[in-house]
Amino acid sequence: AQKVTQAQTEISVVEKEDVTLDCVYETRDTTYYLFWYKQPPSGELVFLIRRNSFDEQNEISGRYSWNFQKSTSSFNFTITASQVVDSAVYFCALNTGANSKLTFGKGITLSVRP
Amino acid sequence: KAGVTQTPRYLIKTRGQQVTLSCSPISGHRSVSWYQQTPGQGLQFLFEYFSETQRNKGNFPGRFSGRQFSNSRSEMNVSTLELGDSALYLCASSPTLGGTSYEQYFGPGTRLTVT
Repeated sequence: AQKVTQAQTEISVVEKEDVTLDCVYETRDTTYYLFWYKQPPSGELVFLIRRNSFDEQNEISGRYSWNFQKSTSSFNFTITASQVVDSAVYFCALNTGANSKLTFGKGITLSVRP
Repeated sequence: KAGVTQTPRYLIKTRGQQVTLSCSPISGHRSVSWYQQTPGQGLQFLFEYFSETQRNKGNFPGRFSGRQFSNSRSEMNVSTLELGDSALYLCASSPTLGGTSYEQYFGPGTRLTVT
């Protein structure tokens, strides 16, 4: 069975601070895919990134960066110089590739104060 | 390219009634998945359809059902509504059924309130 744990439930930072959102996953599959989604108050889940299990290269996209470490089964997400518009719920999710099912973590509510 | 659309966006029903929600995937996408989001249980997978066939099903009672049409549009139906069915129902589409090119895009959701 697959499991995604987001131990942090709520994080509050002041604008321009850096913040890291943690994600730990469990799966017995050797091939899997990890995702991060952002859910603003409007409700729609916005796709941020997908990472394959066979590619541990970290990725940077603007102020966003992701650190994938298979040794610790973690896929952490860092926002540099946070902005108020980053306030949302962030979900980490796992897919094992056999079908489209995503297993989600409970989500982290990020509040960025001006 | 238009995104995933879901109708209606909001719905209020009474216990015991049934409801049908609709999802139109991104053009060219053949896989549609449905998720239920509640404060207590979070995001839970309901089922997935690909080429008009249900390919995977989550752990939900038989009151929850769905179907997919030849144009990839999908509907989900909940019969004999219970208060606990109040949730945000999200639809997601992807071009493939898993695999290395798999990406899943979500619609805005349908907010169902059961009274």
